[in-house]
Amino acid sequence: EAQVTQNPRYLITVTGKKLTVTCSQNMNHEYMSWYRQDPGLGLRQIYYSMNVEVTDKGDVPEGYKVSRKEKRNFPLILESPSPNQTSLYFCASSSRLGLNSPLHFGNGTRLTVT
Amino acid sequence: QKEVEQNSGPLSVPEGAIASLNCTYSDRGSQSFFWYRQYSGKSPELIMSIYSNGDKEDGRFTAQLNKASQYVSLLIRDSQPSDSATYLCAVNPYNQAGTALIFGKGTTLSVSS
Repeated sequence: EAQVTQNPRYLITVTGKKLTVTCSQNMNHEYMSWYRQDPGLGLRQIYYSMNVEVTDKGDVPEGYKVSRKEKRNFPLILESPSPNQTSLYFCASSSRLGLNSPLHFGNGTRLTVT
Repeated sequence: QKEVEQNSGPLSVPEGAIASLNCTYSDRGSQSFFWYRQYSGKSPELIMSIYSNGDKEDGRFTAQLNKASQYVSLLIRDSQPSDSATYLCAVNPYNQAGTALIFGKGTTLSVSS
């Protein structure tokens, strides 16, 4: 089954404790992206990757890191989480960046930082 | 800053009625348009895509596009309580590097039985 898989689904952590949210897609998609979703603010792009070893900042990159060593994986790293990073996170992928290419979303990770 | 605007709602309709969801976008060069449905706490799910002016029908859903007016709409016929969700309009921006889609903030639809 074609899918984007995120783990974990739920995560509760404390301020300053490094964490990684994994994302993997089995559709051989070139484009991958991370979003966070907060009430009233909609989906906001954190980082994106056009292909292996190519990553760039989205609208809200502060406090996050990413890497794209393999085409299928795009982990999101929070080196020192803070309470304002409590949010619902989505990984998404697309076959290419351009016309007629919808995004396919993972199931989401609900992160709480205390 | 290229934008996609939607009324936040909630839009309340009785079961069996037609729900009409609207979206406007600022980038005149946009060429691909998508509607996603999102249940509370769940991920967005693609329900419709439209690329040409006019109507596109898929079951109870009809997407309408008017590029001259920069307007996209989604009609849901015979609305069911299971249609209660937030509907996100998404637009493929023209020549905006790195951004696959620009999303509106969504319209919440409530269908009462």
